[in-house]
Amino acid sequence: KAGVTQTPRYLIKTRGQQVTLSCSPISGHRSVSWYQQTPGQGLQFLFEYFSETQRNKGNFPGRFSGRQFSNSRSEMNVSTLELGDSALYLCASSLDLTANQPQHFGDGTRLSIL
Amino acid sequence: QQQVKQSPQSLIVQKGGISIINCAYENTAFDYFPWYQQFPGKGPALLIAIRPDVSEKKEGRFTISFNKSAKQFSLHIMDSQPGDSATYFCAAYDYKLSFGAGTTVTVRA
Repeated sequence: KAGVTQTPRYLIKTRGQQVTLSCSPISGHRSVSWYQQTPGQGLQFLFEYFSETQRNKGNFPGRFSGRQFSNSRSEMNVSTLELGDSALYLCASSLDLTANQPQHFGDGTRLSIL
Repeated sequence: QQQVKQSPQSLIVQKGGISIINCAYENTAFDYFPWYQQFPGKGPALLIAIRPDVSEKKEGRFTISFNKSAKQFSLHIMDSQPGDSATYFCAAYDYKLSFGAGTTVTVRA
């Protein structure tokens, strides 16, 4: 069974631009969560999508947004990029929203802001 | 603020030794406690997980011990191997995963 696939693996952008990252969950998984990983702040929750609806949101500014499609694939968008947005963005999928469902991560998209 | 506190930040162990990583939490709404292993350039991989109604869970060389009253849990890696050298994260789930800061484990051959 294929794992969580994230594209692209690497991105370089400049301040003020916007970026879209893509995530394909494990087949059959309907919940997709996004996390940001940085050396200073560690792993932080961005948001979770289930059935094309955002179910939960972390403490990030409105420049960070996402969506989920009917096939459970998800995208996240960051507008007006800032230097501090440089990070590894990770997508995780799980079967559904039920508690205790294991979340499986992709290898992430490394975003660098110049 | 960090909802899950993890220690130590790093540890070095000899091949065949035991690695122990500790985590503590305050939020009693947490109801699922996974551990993840991450290698450079890779995403976190689920290693083992426990629910608060269980005090210990073992999978191969990896054991989680859970103390609900103390709000602490730990990961023991028995017979540590060089291939275990990685960063380990504890986490706790309410409606999202809250991660510890990570422990870098180095296993010396």
